[in-house]
Amino acid sequence: GQSLEQPSEVTAVEGAIVQINCTYQTSGFYGLSWYQQHDGGAPTFLSYNALDGLEETGRFSSFLSRSDSYGYLLLQELQMKDSASYFCAGGRTGGFKTIFGAGTRLFVKA
Amino acid sequence: DVKVTQSSRYLVKRTGEKVFLECVQDMDHENMFWYRQDPGLGLRLIYFSYDVKMKEKGDIPEGYSVSREKKERFSLILESASTNQTSMYLCASGGAGASGSYEQYFGPGTRLTVT
Repeated sequence: GQSLEQPSEVTAVEGAIVQINCTYQTSGFYGLSWYQQHDGGAPTFLSYNALDGLEETGRFSSFLSRSDSYGYLLLQELQMKDSASYFCAGGRTGGFKTIFGAGTRLFVKA
Repeated sequence: DVKVTQSSRYLVKRTGEKVFLECVQDMDHENMFWYRQDPGLGLRLIYFSYDVKMKEKGDIPEGYSVSREKKERFSLILESASTNQTSMYLCASGGAGASGSYEQYFGPGTRLTVT
């Protein structure tokens, strides 16, 4: 089947670096997106990887390896406001359907 | 900035009622999506639309229908609400083509409770 797996929770300290992994079990995915969602808020788009490699946007970077069906989101210089849920999402070839992972809850401690 | 609005933040309905959830986007996006979000399950696609009057089923369309009569508006309809449809409903929009699916803009969500 088609699914994306990510850890349910990650805890890190303010100022540290944290990596949130996403593995997917499907053929026919093109690219991987990442979204952030604060409690009570809407998901907001963070990044998209269409090709293998690292994409950097400020403190956030995202990586994709299509041969390994694996990607990750890297958050540097963690801040308390980064405490949120993070979702990876894969676009499926042949259409516009997007499938989301169950989300990783990030707790940033002082 | 893209703005996606949903008609209600909170809604309480009784079993068997017909429920309409409205979504409006102001960025002239071709693609619009309806998801439901449940704890531990992430976001699951109910329906999406890639053009006016065009729609396609997502992964969990049963018990739902949609309407897109105008480009900026996408409605989700629960024909006969049931308790297992209690959930957070999120609408999203995206531009034309593949980018419209990988970069989506979400509304604030409607928390629907069916009693």
